[in-house]
Amino acid sequence: SQELEQSPQSLIVQEGKNLTINCTSSKTLYGLYWYKQKYGEGLIFLMMLQKGGEEKSHEKITAKLDEKKQQSSLHITASQPSHAGIYLCGALTGANNLFFGTGTRLTVIP
Amino acid sequence: DGGITQSPKYLFRKEGQNVTLSCEQNLNHDAMYWYRQDPGQGLRLIYYSQIVNDFQKGDIAEGYSVSREKKESFPLTVTSAQKNPTAFYLCASNFPGQGNEQFFGPGTRLTVL
Repeated sequence: SQELEQSPQSLIVQEGKNLTINCTSSKTLYGLYWYKQKYGEGLIFLMMLQKGGEEKSHEKITAKLDEKKQQSSLHITASQPSHAGIYLCGALTGANNLFFGTGTRLTVIP
Repeated sequence: DGGITQSPKYLFRKEGQNVTLSCEQNLNHDAMYWYRQDPGQGLRLIYYSQIVNDFQKGDIAEGYSVSREKKESFPLTVTSAQKNPTAFYLCASNFPGQGNEQFFGPGTRLTVL
């Protein structure tokens, strides 16, 4: 069965600092989704990566999928309090479902 | 406005009672999904449906049941057979196929007393 490990589990950064969250899969990734969740709310789609070496950016958030398609990273530049929340990576399965990692809880201190 | 609605936001039930969580979408999506979220465990798939009148078990279907009689509705029943039902439940929908992101509802927090 597939395993999707996120690191770190939690992260506390000062406002303005850069940070990186990693998502490592035990199997080749055929589609990797990044979502953000505010505590007690639904998930908001950030980005989706499919090709090895692919990189996408939205505002101050950049996501990459490595060449071997087994690891993805999410990088936030100049973090703001609005970036706080839980970041979840999800891997596309053969049944076109999503298998999620355990999440990374980000706290940004003003 | 198009979107997914889940009701209620908070739900309390006594142990041994069945309870049904509502999920409605007006995005014309064919596929709908139910997930359970526990602290520190991410999201786990309970059931999913790719088309009306058809659904499949996910990774943790035991103690749950669903129906898909209408395209826009995918209710989840948490039965008394579910040993640890207290959790945050999320519903999602999309057009099935690679590259199509799932859209999520706001969730229902179920507490069994």
